[in-house]
Amino acid sequence: SQTIHQWPATLVQPVGSPLSLECTVEGTSNPNLYWYRQAAGRGLQLLFYSVGIGQISSEVPQNLSASRPQDRQFILSSKKLLLSDSGFYLCAWSVGSSAVYGYTFGSGTRLTVV
Amino acid sequence: SQQGEEDPQALSIQEGENATMNCSYKTSINNLQWYRQNSGRGLVHLILIRSNEREKHSGRLRVTLDTSKKSSSLLITASRAADTASYFCATDNAGNMLTFGGGTRLMVKP
Repeated sequence: SQTIHQWPATLVQPVGSPLSLECTVEGTSNPNLYWYRQAAGRGLQLLFYSVGIGQISSEVPQNLSASRPQDRQFILSSKKLLLSDSGFYLCAWSVGSSAVYGYTFGSGTRLTVV
Repeated sequence: SQQGEEDPQALSIQEGENATMNCSYKTSINNLQWYRQNSGRGLVHLILIRSNEREKHSGRLRVTLDTSKKSSSLLITASRAADTASYFCATDNAGNMLTFGGGTRLMVKP
């Protein structure tokens, strides 16, 4: 069966520090991968998506970047965090487009920038 | 940008009552999906309805889609305290990603 792992679960980082959040998927090949951010009590904002190794599409210009060094690994990074980067970060995967099975989400990372 | 907008933003009901949440969207879609999120957790896929479908059922869930009005509704029948969560609609616009609405926070009181 397919599983998605996202870590860490919570993170408190000072302003100006770097960030690296990792997401890995097991049990499937060539998944579409996504990073979303959710502000408190709000909906999801798509940050990045990837349809293959090394392929990254950015939806929102910002202080963050993403990389896909392996087929089932998706990394969200920042060189210098801002207070506005605080939020709940969610990784998700799908088989091709979402049309058949929808998205499967990880359990999320709560990032607080102080 | 958000494609779907849920209404109401918050809903409080008693256990056993039905809960209805609505979603409106702006552009044509391939399908519309509903997700559930327990507090502080990831989203869980509930149900998908294609643009050529008008109604779909899954257990206590009933979803309707009206493409002429660009709207959908999610009905949870005989609600339980365990149904307390946020519910999001998401639209597939034939791209590679889903666009989510702002969600409805449902509280079911025992």
